Amino acid sequence: EVQLVQSGAEVKKPGESLNISCKASGDTFTNYAMAWVRQMPGRGLEWMGIIYPGDSDARYSPSFEGQVTISADKSITTAYLQWSSLKASDTAMYYCATLVITGSLDSWGQGTLLTVSS
Amino acid sequence: DIQMTQSPSSLSASVGDRVTITCQASQDINFHLNWYQQKPGKAPKLLINVASNLETRVPSRFSGSGSGTDFTFVIRSLQPEDIATYYCQQYDDLPYTFGQGTKLEIK
Repeated sequence: EVQLVQSGAEVKKPGESLNISCKASGDTFTNYAMAWVRQMPGRGLEWMGIIYPGDSDARYSPSFEGQVTISADKSITTAYLQWSSLKASDTAMYYCATLVITGSLDSWGQGTLLTVSS
Repeated sequence: DIQMTQSPSSLSASVGDRVTITCQASQDINFHLNWYQQKPGKAPKLLINVASNLETRVPSRFSGSGSGTDFTFVIRSLQPEDIATYYCQQYDDLPYTFGQGTKLEIK
C-alpha cells in the first residue's frame, strides 16, 4: 500500500504563488497516477486533475485548466500542485490520492489546508 | 463532463436501520463507479469499487449495486461509526467526477 504525506497548512495573500507537495512511499511511484482533489469549506469533493509520473502527462478538469499546474518529480516520488497567483476562492483543503487501475482513489494524503486572505 | 447526482443530500437514521443512497449518472457509465466514506476532519476512504466490489477490511454491512446510469449504496444495519458523508465517483471518462455527497446523521 502507498503512503502519501502532504506538505503543511499554508496561509497566503491574494496574488501570491504557492507550491504544495505530496510525497509517496511504499510502492513504485510510476505504477499509478496521482490525483488532486479540492474540498472547499463545508462542500463536497471536486476532481482537479491527474498526473502520470512516468511521463509527467497531466490531465486537468476543465474547471481547473489554466488555474493550477500539476507536476511530479519521479526521482523523489513527489507530486506537486502549483498556483501562480492565488485568489481568496482558492481557500480549501487539497488532497492528493493514488489513482489505480479500477479508477478508484486508493490511498489518500492527509490533506493540505490552504487559506488565502488579505 | 459526466454529472453525478446523489440523493438524498442528507439523511437521518437510527442505529440498526437500513440506509439507501442513490447516484445517477448523466450518461451510461457501465459499472465504472466507486463509493467513498468521509468522516469529519478526515480524508475520504474508498469503500466500494467497480459499483459493487467491497474493499478489503470494509464491513459487509456496506454494499453497492447498479450499472449504466443508476447506482445504489446500502448500509444494511447502521452503526454509530458510520456517521460520515458518502460520495459516489465515476471513472468512465476524465474528468472523473464526484456526486455532491450524502451526509448521514444518527437520529
